[in-house]
Amino acid sequence: NAGVTQTPKFRILKIGQSMTLQCTQDMNHNYMYWYRQDPGMGLKLIYYSVGAGITDKGEVPNGYNVSRSTTEDFPLRLELAAPSQTSVYFCASRSRQGGNQPQHFGDGTRLSIL
Amino acid sequence: EDKVVQSPLSLVVHEGDTVTLNCSYEVTNFRSLLWYKQEKKAPTFLFMLTSSGIEKKSGRLSSILDKKELFSILNITATQTGDSAVYLCAVDLGDYKLSFGAGTTVTVRA
Repeated sequence: NAGVTQTPKFRILKIGQSMTLQCTQDMNHNYMYWYRQDPGMGLKLIYYSVGAGITDKGEVPNGYNVSRSTTEDFPLRLELAAPSQTSVYFCASRSRQGGNQPQHFGDGTRLSIL
Repeated sequence: EDKVVQSPLSLVVHEGDTVTLNCSYEVTNFRSLLWYKQEKKAPTFLFMLTSSGIEKKSGRLSSILDKKELFSILNITATQTGDSAVYLCAVDLGDYKLSFGAGTTVTVRA
């Protein structure tokens, strides 16, 4: 019963370093999403994908990149880490089947940039 | 710009009290409104509302949508300490993209 799995759970980066946040889902969902959540704020959409090979920008895409080579995986890349990217990152997925399906979330990655 | 506004931002109640959370929205494209509960980690799905005036219920939780006045409420009756969480409201804008409110932090004291 894995659902949406994110790794790592925690990470500390230095300014200017790069890293990839991993997200994988085993529910065969077409739609996948990356959000960030800052303290006291709602989730902001960074990027999303409606299927393998297709990605699109959300509200706050600057400083991030994504790829979707398979249905299961949707990694998020930070190229030059900045303190403003300190946040909790959530990956989510959703089935394309049916109209009334919610997004399912992973447990998040807590990232600190120092 | 799409906006989803939740109120209050936080509240503290005692076990057994009833809580009403509000969510108002102004969006260009509305498909549905969703409520999530977030404890320590991932948001977990509570309700999806698409039609006005039809109450959704799950145990002590219930929710209703008013598409004319552009808001939704989430009610929790007979609150328990396990109801302590951040409650998130989100609007589906199409392509199943969600725009979230800032959340309401509910603390239930024994």
